[in-house]
Amino acid sequence: GAGVSQSPSNKVTEKGKDVELRCDPISGHTALYWYRQSLGQGLEFLIYFQGNSAPDKSGLPSDRFSAERTGGSVSTLTIQRTQQEDSAVYLCASSLPPNLNEQFFGPGTRLTVL
Amino acid sequence: QQQVKQSPQSLIVQKGGISIINCAYENTAFDYFPWYQQFPGKGPALLIAIRPDVSEKKEGRFTISFNKSAKQFSLHIMDSQPGDSATYFCAARAGGYNKLIFGAGTRLAVHP
Repeated sequence: GAGVSQSPSNKVTEKGKDVELRCDPISGHTALYWYRQSLGQGLEFLIYFQGNSAPDKSGLPSDRFSAERTGGSVSTLTIQRTQQEDSAVYLCASSLPPNLNEQFFGPGTRLTVL
Repeated sequence: QQQVKQSPQSLIVQKGGISIINCAYENTAFDYFPWYQQFPGKGPALLIAIRPDVSEKKEGRFTISFNKSAKQFSLHIMDSQPGDSATYFCAARAGGYNKLIFGAGTRLAVHP
């Protein structure tokens, strides 16, 4: 079946603009994660959704970052008033209980803030 | 205490050789240690994982060695092939949580 998909694959924006990144998880996967991968760095956890539970937002770096998940499926990560340091690859992953350990990643969205 | 330290940053191995990547952690609450493989332009993919109740896990040419007392774990790739050239990430997860804490990654190049 289809894997995790993300759109757009690339996004170039100007400093101060808002951006929205989209993630379509694997069908039926109730857990969804957002990570950020900066150049030459590991993956940094941003936010985690599981079913109807309150999301774990502990990784969001500032209040300019927010995410929502509608209908338990598609998720949108929004970055307001983008800064140059927000430039990174944003990765989405999903998993299916009870095997939450295996996270399936999408190809990512490369965000460049000029 | 949440960090996972990975080394080396980059590694060059000849075809047929053994690739070894090491990771160390501090948080004793970590109870799951996966390795992910990432090819350029792709998302990471789970390669192999281990829990701290075993010292070694082998899947094909890939082996995880785990040293609980030293809080270290490593990935060994036997008979390394050019197709193994990728970036490898170790990670750890604390029990009761679902987020993974990743190492900084190792870029492996296997030369023919």
